[in-house]
Amino acid sequence: KAGVTQTPRYLIKTRGQQVTLSCSPISGHRSVSWYQQTPGQGLQFLFEYFSETQRNKGNFPGRFSGRQFSNSRSEMNVSTLELGDSALYLCASSTSGPSTDTQYFGPGTRLTVL
Amino acid sequence: DQQVKQNSPSLSVQEGRISILNCDYTNSMFDYFLWYKKYPAEGPTFLISISSIKDKNEDGRFTVFLNKSAKHLSLHIVPSQPGDSAVYFCAASAMGYGGSQGNLIFGKGTKLSVKP
Repeated sequence: KAGVTQTPRYLIKTRGQQVTLSCSPISGHRSVSWYQQTPGQGLQFLFEYFSETQRNKGNFPGRFSGRQFSNSRSEMNVSTLELGDSALYLCASSTSGPSTDTQYFGPGTRLTVL
Repeated sequence: DQQVKQNSPSLSVQEGRISILNCDYTNSMFDYFLWYKKYPAEGPTFLISISSIKDKNEDGRFTVFLNKSAKHLSLHIVPSQPGDSAVYFCAASAMGYGGSQGNLIFGKGTKLSVKP
């Protein structure tokens, strides 16, 4: 079974631009979560989508948004990029249900904002 | 306010000895705890979990202990191997019944180095 894939793996943008990151979950997984990892803050939860609906949201500004398609693929968008948005963005997929030990992470997209 | 804390940014252990990674939390609503391991250039991989109804869970060389009164959990790796060298993240959630899988609160990680 193929794992979680994220594209692109690396991205360089300048301040003020916008960026879209993509995540393809494991086949059959309907839940997709996004995290931001920075050296100072560790992994921080951005949002979670399930069956095309945002089910949970972390404490990030409205510049961070996402969506999920009918095939469970998800995209994350960041508008008006700031230097502080430079981070590793991780996507994780899982099946539905209350247990959390089946969340599988992708390799991440490394975003650098200049 | 950091709800999940890993106070040791790094830990160095000799091969064959025990590695103990610690994690503290502040939110008494957390009822599910997980440990993830992360190698450079890869996403975190699930290692072991524990529900708040238990105080210990074991899986091979890995054991997680939960002390609810102290709001503390620890991961023991015995014996430690060089391949265990990675960053270990503690995570917690307030799941309850029917909760979402997405809303995990992570600690900042502890970098474990196992010396041959």
